[in-house]
Amino acid sequence: NAGVTQTPKFRVLKTGQSMTLLCAQDMNHEYMYWYRQDPGMGLRLIHYSVGEGTTAKGEVPDGYNVSRLKKQNFLLGLESAAPSQTSVYFCASRALIGAWDTEAFFGQGTRLTVV
Amino acid sequence: AQKVTQAQTEISVVEKEDVTLDCVYETRDTTYYLFWYKQPPSGELVFLIRRNSFDEQNEISGRYSWNFQKSTSSFNFTITASQVVDSAVYFCALGFSGGYQKVTFGIGTKLQVIP
Repeated sequence: NAGVTQTPKFRVLKTGQSMTLLCAQDMNHEYMYWYRQDPGMGLRLIHYSVGEGTTAKGEVPDGYNVSRLKKQNFLLGLESAAPSQTSVYFCASRALIGAWDTEAFFGQGTRLTVV
Repeated sequence: AQKVTQAQTEISVVEKEDVTLDCVYETRDTTYYLFWYKQPPSGELVFLIRRNSFDEQNEISGRYSWNFQKSTSSFNFTITASQVVDSAVYFCALGFSGGYQKVTFGIGTKLQVIP
């Protein structure tokens, strides 16, 4: 059981380049999330999705776009990377059982460096 | 506003010592949830525990125990007889009903257990 898988695990981008991070979950979870983790700031929510075809902004959405065309996949896009987007990105998923009965499962993270 | 404070940014202990990780939270909501996650050096986040605001019972799971005190808005985590494998960053988080997008993470406490 793979759980939540993020691709790639590492990436170096030049300023202005674009890229897409892929998150795939095999647990049939309804909710999926993208976070970024920065030193001294914990995890901050970028975007999230409550179901296939739906997305919403989180705490720090600027500079990112997302899509959830299939239930199992949640893509995070950077259209024009900036050094401020250097971070570790985590994807998470959660089942919808009541409003709050389940914990989130996280991927292993993607370390992105923008130079 | 919701806030989670983990005042200890880094802790070092010698193996077999007990260690307590502090978590203080702020919220005006009466219904909320508290979480602890572990992030080992491999990078993934591992769910440890969830506690809702109506349940102040302390919990013990092997060498791990949690002390929830609403009077002091604290949800502290104690590791008894620490082991090297406990070395990780530990995150406390505060959440609310209505979706995981409302989870606020602390900045994390890095625990190093020295053999």
